[in-house]
Amino acid sequence: DAGVIQSPRHEVTEMGQEVTLRCKPISGHNSLFWYRQTMMRGLELLIYFNNNVPIDDSGMPEDRFSAKMPNASFSTLKIQPSEPRDSAVYFCASSDRAPNNEQFFGPGTRLTVL
Amino acid sequence: KNQVEQSPQSLIILEGKNCTLQCNYTVSPFSNLRWYKQDTGRGPVSLTIMTFSENTKSNGRYTATLDADTKQSSLHITASQLSDSASYICVVSLQSGGSYIPTFGRGTSLIVHP
Repeated sequence: DAGVIQSPRHEVTEMGQEVTLRCKPISGHNSLFWYRQTMMRGLELLIYFNNNVPIDDSGMPEDRFSAKMPNASFSTLKIQPSEPRDSAVYFCASSDRAPNNEQFFGPGTRLTVL
Repeated sequence: KNQVEQSPQSLIILEGKNCTLQCNYTVSPFSNLRWYKQDTGRGPVSLTIMTFSENTKSNGRYTATLDADTKQSSLHITASQLSDSASYICVVSLQSGGSYIPTFGRGTSLIVHP
């Protein structure tokens, strides 16, 4: 398995533009997590899905952020409109649903909003 | 409020030396505690996981301890190598009503000098 796949790896955009980040979890995993990492705040859980259903989105900072998981092999995180303070590294991770099971992280998408 | 505090924030040691990283938490109800290693530019990778009944877990030169009574954990690195230079993140998870919520520490940045 190639592990968790994220695209793009780097994204530079201008304030006000729509940004879509993509994630392909490890095959067979039924939990998917979206995180944001900054120097100031560290890693923050934004939202997670079990069996494609959003379970907890309390970490989503604003209505400008939305996430979908239309099927077991694909998820998106969308920011519309983007702002400079959204600049961060966004990670996707997947795991088996059992709580003691390891989350496997993707390589991340580095987003810069000018 | 569920929190995870790590210390020190950063640490510089010489190759071959040992070191210990600390993690204090207030997460409740406790499910498990995990230590992750994050190399620069990459996603975190799990080193160890401990549940309530476990008080020590080893993974090669990494040994994690857990005191569930005092809500403290430590990660001991033996005979450090240059490749140990990374950020080490403590993650404590709670399980509530079928949901699984990880709380992340800010991490300890370790630099190993030759």
